[in-house]
Amino acid sequence: QKEVEQDPGPLSVPEGAIVSLNCTYSNSAFQYFMWYRQYSRKGPELLMYTYSSGNKEDGRFTAQVDKSSKYISLFIRDSQPSDSATYLCAMINAGGTSYGKLTFGQGTILTVHP
Amino acid sequence: DAGITQSPRHKVTETGTPVTLRCHQTENHRYMYWYRQDPGHGLRLIHYSYGVKDTDKGEVSDGYSVSRSKTEDFLLTLESATSSQTSVYFCAIRGTSGAKSYNEQFFGPGTRLTVL
Repeated sequence: QKEVEQDPGPLSVPEGAIVSLNCTYSNSAFQYFMWYRQYSRKGPELLMYTYSSGNKEDGRFTAQVDKSSKYISLFIRDSQPSDSATYLCAMINAGGTSYGKLTFGQGTILTVHP
Repeated sequence: DAGITQSPRHKVTETGTPVTLRCHQTENHRYMYWYRQDPGHGLRLIHYSYGVKDTDKGEVSDGYSVSRSKTEDFLLTLESATSSQTSVYFCAIRGTSGAKSYNEQFFGPGTRLTVL
């Protein structure tokens, strides 16, 4: 069983929809949680970073962490065609911070159509 | 791409041949990483480096070796390429200051490798 599970989709939504992307994890030592966005044929880039349970908002994006359930989510409001990309969750545990090793989910392919 | 370049960007090779991929950074960062990305698997760590001549294995290191003789260059070598190593390879560097930056990784543009 993988340490991090992410629904690979693909997910297709109309412009303006609210998108929910989710990951579950099994390693309770994970303490830092990230969402990366990857456009086609590009490298991933960091979108959101959180380190505690609760919500963190940045514009149209909200990252949610529930450590008790080992569940994280990324919400996109008023989705735009430019949000079409692969979204990857990533995590790091406290013991791993010294070497910065991230564990990634499988990625969810999102398409927002006009 | 945060001063990270990868070469070559595309390569087609035959089974059994050695292949070396290069990652070059201009940021003078200590930590560098090599990942492979395959459908259904996300990004998986192959090897990483925490300084010149200091490297360690990741979760999918079999069939790969690395070297880092200079801070700016991190080389990934497939000693004898196999079709299962057909993938997209990404190099990454780690941020240097602040909690967020220290855990953030900046990725290069990737190398598409096809092994026939």
